[in-house]
Amino acid sequence: KAGVTQTPRYLIKTRGQQVTLSCSPISGHRSVSWYQQTPGQGLQFLFEYFSETQRNKGNFPGRFSGRQFSNSRSEMNVSTLELGDSALYLCASSFFGEGAYNEQFFGPGTRLTVL
Amino acid sequence: AQSVTQLDSQVPVFEEAPVELRCNYSSSVSVYLFWYVQYPNQGLQLLLKYLSGSTLVKGINGFEAEFNKSQTSFHLRKPSVHISDTAEYFCAVSVGGTSYGKLTFGQGTILTVHP
Repeated sequence: KAGVTQTPRYLIKTRGQQVTLSCSPISGHRSVSWYQQTPGQGLQFLFEYFSETQRNKGNFPGRFSGRQFSNSRSEMNVSTLELGDSALYLCASSFFGEGAYNEQFFGPGTRLTVL
Repeated sequence: AQSVTQLDSQVPVFEEAPVELRCNYSSSVSVYLFWYVQYPNQGLQLLLKYLSGSTLVKGINGFEAEFNKSQTSFHLRKPSVHISDTAEYFCAVSVGGTSYGKLTFGQGTILTVHP
């Protein structure tokens, strides 16, 4: 079974631009979570989508948004990029994620550099 | 809200020596506890988890951890480390329910195993 895939793996943007990152979960998984990883702030939860609905949200400004499609693939968008948005963005998928524990499987991440 | 503190940012150790990576958490509700490992340029991999039951949990690659509710700790141990264990380790918590997909991470501990 293929793992979680994220595209692109590397991205360079300039301040003020916007960016869209994509995450394809493991087949059959319906929950997708996004995390931002930086040397200063560590790993921080952005949001989680389940059945095309945002179920949980972290403490990030409105410039960070996401969506999930009917096939469970998810995208996150960052508008008006700032230097501080440079980070590794990780997504994780799980089968269900409610009631009973289902392991989250992480993708390799997208490395975003903002110049 | 929950928080996780990993008490050591870096732990150097010689090959075949034992190691303990320390993790303390804070939460007003019951939590589920996890340890993840991240190798360079890769995503996170689940090492072990505590959901309920026995407070001593065993994971992959010979790692184990003990949940101590009174001390709100979940320290990770391995009796004999290998060079291949060199990586960054993250302790994380979740409150479960509809929030299994929302993990709160510690700042990470870089384990370096020297020959």
